[in-house]
Amino acid sequence: DAKTTQPTSMDCAEGRAANLPCNHSTISGNEYVYWYRQIHSQGPQYIIHGLKNNETNEMASLIITEDRKSSTLILPHATLRDTAVYYCIVRAQDNYGQNFVFGPGTRLSVLP
Amino acid sequence: KAGVTQTPRYLIKTRGQQVTLSCSPISGHRSVSWYQQTPGQGLQFLFEYFSETQRNKGNFPGRFSGRQFSNSRSEMNVSTLELGDSALYLCASSWDGGSETQYFGPGTRLLVL
Repeated sequence: DAKTTQPTSMDCAEGRAANLPCNHSTISGNEYVYWYRQIHSQGPQYIIHGLKNNETNEMASLIITEDRKSSTLILPHATLRDTAVYYCIVRAQDNYGQNFVFGPGTRLSVLP
Repeated sequence: KAGVTQTPRYLIKTRGQQVTLSCSPISGHRSVSWYQQTPGQGLQFLFEYFSETQRNKGNFPGRFSGRQFSNSRSEMNVSTLELGDSALYLCASSWDGGSETQYFGPGTRLLVL
């Protein structure tokens, strides 16, 4: 079972920031938080991941709470092409061969 | 660097047949994982290969099998196809499967009639 909970769906106006929350209250000390997104019928696309510090890359920012029990993915200026299902996953990086366990994710709709 | 490639992209089979799907990982990646995605069950892990050995396996029947070649390319096979095997089959590669991010291919969409 997925170790994360996310809202089923969210809307965001084009050009505004999209803030996608994720709860992972049972996260272990060695587990990272990963975010992927899947645009209709394509393969999931890696966005960002982090352990405890906030992270930023060209696609998004990841804010992880101090207790690590929740995180927020931020798309700073959402465009219509950001409409997708966003998956938050926790996964340890010290167990070789460990797979990703995907939940249902959040369906983000960016509206014009 | 070229991404993960999967062939074929689309496939139609009939019940009882068998099918082989192929995945070429990103150059230098040695771990290949396979996932099945259906509307009802979502994305589910099938198995993972590293250095031609299966290291991890999901909860799927033995009709689902795979292998990995010395160049890290991987194939998965489904025998005695059932209607419920209709799905998007995704392959993901990473350098070692443990400490590295997985990158997904575009998938093979299989329709079983």
